[in-house]
Amino acid sequence: GAVVSQHPSWVICKSGTSVKIECRSLDFQATTMFWYRQFPKQSLMLMATSNEGSKATYEQGVEKDKFLINHASLTLSTLTVTSAHPEDSSFYICSAREPTGQYEQYFGPGTRLTVT
Amino acid sequence: AQSVTQPDIHITVSEGASLELRCNYSYGATPYLFWYVQSPGQGLQLLLKYFSGDTLVQGIKGFEAEFKRSQSSFNLRKPSVHWSDAAEYFCAVGGNKLVFGAGTILRVKS
Repeated sequence: GAVVSQHPSWVICKSGTSVKIECRSLDFQATTMFWYRQFPKQSLMLMATSNEGSKATYEQGVEKDKFLINHASLTLSTLTVTSAHPEDSSFYICSAREPTGQYEQYFGPGTRLTVT
Repeated sequence: AQSVTQPDIHITVSEGASLELRCNYSYGATPYLFWYVQSPGQGLQLLLKYFSGDTLVQGIKGFEAEFKRSQSSFNLRKPSVHWSDAAEYFCAVGGNKLVFGAGTILRVKS
């Protein structure tokens, strides 16, 4: 149980284009999902918290207009990186929390984004 | 402010040897504590968690961790390491949001 998938697993895009990453909870309904960014050999940095049916809450320093998050259903959240630049290249990981759980988060396998 | 310190960036142990990964935290209330493992290029897998009760918690893959409030620690242990345990391990603290430590890379030598 508690499986989270991400798609795509890796993506290469040109500078100035936008790319969408999907995060799905496969066997549970996730009222809350989280998006993280991980730089090489570093820890996870929380970008935003996404609640189904409401606007995402962004962490300080994260540009909400650049990283658009939509949590349209209880099993799907999307992160769109708009007008991507090489500095946006990173490993993006989503997680989801079960509504009946005790704060543990279940993580997707991550998406490697490379902007050329 | 919440913070997590994993003082060891790298640890190398021999296969079959015991393992202890250190984690110290700073948290304003009763902490919820977690250990996750990440294999290269993968997401994080929950190994174990502590919310309350018995301070020694058992997790998957033969791991356990002990919560010591007086030391603000939540160290991860395994009595006998297998080569497949080589990965990066993250300690995390929090409730609604998780704060992660910097991670400890475990290498297992045969």
